[in-house]
Amino acid sequence: KQEVTQIPAALSVPEGENLVLNCSFTDSAIYNLQWFRQDPGKGLTSLLLIQSSQREQTSGRLNASLDKSSGRSTLYIAASQPGDSATYLCAVSGNTPLVFGKGTRLSVIA
Amino acid sequence: DAGVIQSPRHEVTEMGQEVTLRCKPISGHDYLFWYRQTMMRGLELLIYFNNNVPIDDSGMPEDRFSAKMPNASFSTLKIQPSEPRDSAVYFCASSFPLLAGPGNEQFFGPGTRLTVL
Repeated sequence: KQEVTQIPAALSVPEGENLVLNCSFTDSAIYNLQWFRQDPGKGLTSLLLIQSSQREQTSGRLNASLDKSSGRSTLYIAASQPGDSATYLCAVSGNTPLVFGKGTRLSVIA
Repeated sequence: DAGVIQSPRHEVTEMGQEVTLRCKPISGHDYLFWYRQTMMRGLELLIYFNNNVPIDDSGMPEDRFSAKMPNASFSTLKIQPSEPRDSAVYFCASSFPLLAGPGNEQFFGPGTRLTVL
């Protein structure tokens, strides 16, 4: 059974810092990995999707990498801003629907 | 497209009452998923449909929960009778079959926040 772990559970950084969020999964037989953002009381917004054949994806200040063999993904946020404060969720899918981690709650302090 | 639409956005009810949550997926998406999110357990998949047919309902917690998809543009999740421990945010998501199977990119609705008193 696929399990997804996100470390750390919470992170607080000063504005302007570069930061890395970590995601690990137990079964490397995945189709893709998605990173989502969730603001308090809101739904999930898809940030990046990495297909199993890809190594990384970039969108603006965000860069996600995937190492399928080791069961790891990282989400790199450059030059963090207070508006980046949210919970970031990692999810993987194989021949089954998405399995989510519990998320990392990020606070960027001005 | 307006994205995945869910209603109501908030629901407050009393224990024992029937609750019906509604979802309209993105047009053309043939997979529909229902999730529940709580602080303790995070996001859990309850059930998913492919072409209106339920494929896996192993995540449905009890017989009090039921879901239907009468057509490609509408699904319901019903709880009868509701209990306080059902209080959670319920999300609906849909996906387009770029690849065969349920593992494609999912798009989420805004969720329904359910409170059972």
